Parts: sequence; C-alpha cells; structure tokens
Amino acid sequence: AQSVTQLDSHVSVSEGTPVLLRCNYSSSYSPSLFWYVQHPNKGLQLLLKYTSAATLVKGINGFEAEFKKSETSFHLTKPSAHMSDAAEYFCVGKTSYDKVIFGPGTSLSVIP
Amino acid sequence: EAQVTQNPRYLITVTGKKLTVTCSQNMNHEYMSWYRQDPGLGLRQIYYSMNVEVTDKGDVPEGYKVSRKEKRNFPLILESPSPNQTSLYFCASSAGQSNTEAFFGQGTRLTVV
Repeated sequence: AQSVTQLDSHVSVSEGTPVLLRCNYSSSYSPSLFWYVQHPNKGLQLLLKYTSAATLVKGINGFEAEFKKSETSFHLTKPSAHMSDAAEYFCVGKTSYDKVIFGPGTSLSVIP
Repeated sequence: EAQVTQNPRYLITVTGKKLTVTCSQNMNHEYMSWYRQDPGLGLRQIYYSMNVEVTDKGDVPEGYKVSRKEKRNFPLILESPSPNQTSLYFCASSAGQSNTEAFFGQGTRLTVV
C-alpha cells in the first residue's frame, strides 16, 4: 500500500533561519510527489512537484525539495524563513493509478 | 483563470436537512475528488471520480453521495447531515496523468447543529 509520512506534526523556527520539513513515502511505484501549503482559512496552494525529471525541485517562495529514492524521502527546505511562511504544509503523493495520498501535515511556526 | 470553485464557502445547517456542496472546474480535468479536513486527522478522501459517470469511494465515504454527470461538476451531497460531518471540505481536480498536480477549491466550512 502507498503512504506518505510527515515526521513532524509541528516545526518552529526563528525568522531568518533554515526550514526543514520532512516527508517520507512508501510506494510500489515511482510516485509523483508534491508539497502544498495551506495558510489559515485558505485553500491549498502548490509549492512544488517532483515528476522524475530532476531530483532537486525548486518551487515558489524560495522553497525547494530533493527526491532521494534511496531514502524514500522528499524533504522540503528553505534557506531563510520568513514570517509569511507560517502555515500548514502537506506532502502529497500520487500513484500510477492517480490516487492522491496526503501526508498528515506539518504546522510551521516562525518566531520573530 | 484556471480554478476550482466551491459553493457555498460557509454553511450552517441542522441535523437531517439535505444539502449539496457544489464544485466546478474549468480545466477540463478528468479526475475530481472530495476531501474533508479535521484537526489532527489531516485531509481524508471522501469520494473521487476518474471521469464522467465514474465515481468511487475514498477513505471516508459514509454519509456522503456524489455524482458526475458532466466533466466540470462534481457535487457533494449529504442526504441527512449529522454533527460528525461538521468539517472543512475541499474539492480538487487534476488531469488524468499521475505527474500532474491537483488544484483545490477554497474550501467549504460546514457546521451541522
């Protein structure tokens, strides 16, 4: 069975410090992987996606993620956190049968 | 502009009163789905549809119905809402390929009293 795990339910960083949000997947197939962000009382916005073209993927707002097949990971990073990055982040997988699998989400807090 | 539109955004209703949440997409996507989001439980899939007249249960389908008579519309129907269906609901659509992202509506916050 396919699954997506986000190892931290909550991450807190200081403004200007790096952000690391962890995601691991389990899939019998080569998955497509995505990171979405949800700001309070808003819908989900796509940050970036991995679709097997390049293992390091750059997204919007300075975020990037690296697909590591050996570690079955797709961690999201940003060199320097901004207050506006405070939100809920979801790692999402899609299998070859097009079923979308959500991770449980990581809440990011940014301390001034 | 490519978008998924849900209506209403907010709804308060009483137990047992049938309601429909509409979802429409303008991207000619084959795949559409409904999710509910609850604190501590993340997003859970209710139903999905891979094309017109093709629907299937997700992880939490009990108490919900859907229909897919046209490609662009995928309404969520609660025949007899109960308080445990109080939640934030999202509709999403995507093209048929696995490497394409899902587009989400803005959400519908439903309260059943």
